[in-house]
Amino acid sequence: DSGVTQTPKHLITATGQRVTLRCSPRSGDLSVYWYQQSLDQGLQFLIQYYNGEERAKGNILERFSAQQFPDLHSELNLSSLELGDSALYFCASSGGGFPSLASGSTDTQYFGPGTRLTVL
Amino acid sequence: GENVEQHPSTLSVQEGDSAVIKCTYSDSASNYFPWYKQELGKRPQLIIDIRSNVGEKKDQRIAVTLNKTAKHFSLHITETQPEDSAVYFCAASPYGSGNTGKLIFGQGTTLQVKP
Repeated sequence: DSGVTQTPKHLITATGQRVTLRCSPRSGDLSVYWYQQSLDQGLQFLIQYYNGEERAKGNILERFSAQQFPDLHSELNLSSLELGDSALYFCASSGGGFPSLASGSTDTQYFGPGTRLTVL
Repeated sequence: GENVEQHPSTLSVQEGDSAVIKCTYSDSASNYFPWYKQELGKRPQLIIDIRSNVGEKKDQRIAVTLNKTAKHFSLHITETQPEDSAVYFCAASPYGSGNTGKLIFGQGTTLQVKP
């Protein structure tokens, strides 16, 4: 158990719908990262939040958005869903937002169990 | 752009043999290189990582080497066991773009260890 939790575990919905995925980081971790894993694309970085603020963006679609709340949990919102959005969505957490050689293990990312999204 | 290439995509070895997986990265300023093991339907689990200030790191049967000049790093698993069978991902943390710690992953290697 990594200490990172994600809900729900599975989500089945229809095209055009909107869903929200939730992630709670490990106790004390300030950074939350979201990754999408599909069969043909591997693990793709979507977005990072650090202590409530957006820190980095990857290839995240405009239909997707995220936020991190004061209690540090994060939500990933996916709207106007398409068949191609079906994937495993992982969040990961780490201690800080600016890893450095001197920071030791603070840049180690621990992954949650993932949410499997199926769009029919 | 930021890219990590991983080879081979599949690897089959006999139990007890060694397995080597190789990755190359594009951002020469990348400074952190973790390896994750993922079993079917499970989360990626960190098995070893290396930072750019060292060239090699070992943890029991697992070792990672880093060649910064060539921009490649490798995972070595010795005395493989059937429970090592899984998908292995390498990743790099590009220093550019504000050094945020985001990870760029390779495409994964499916390792099969035959008893």
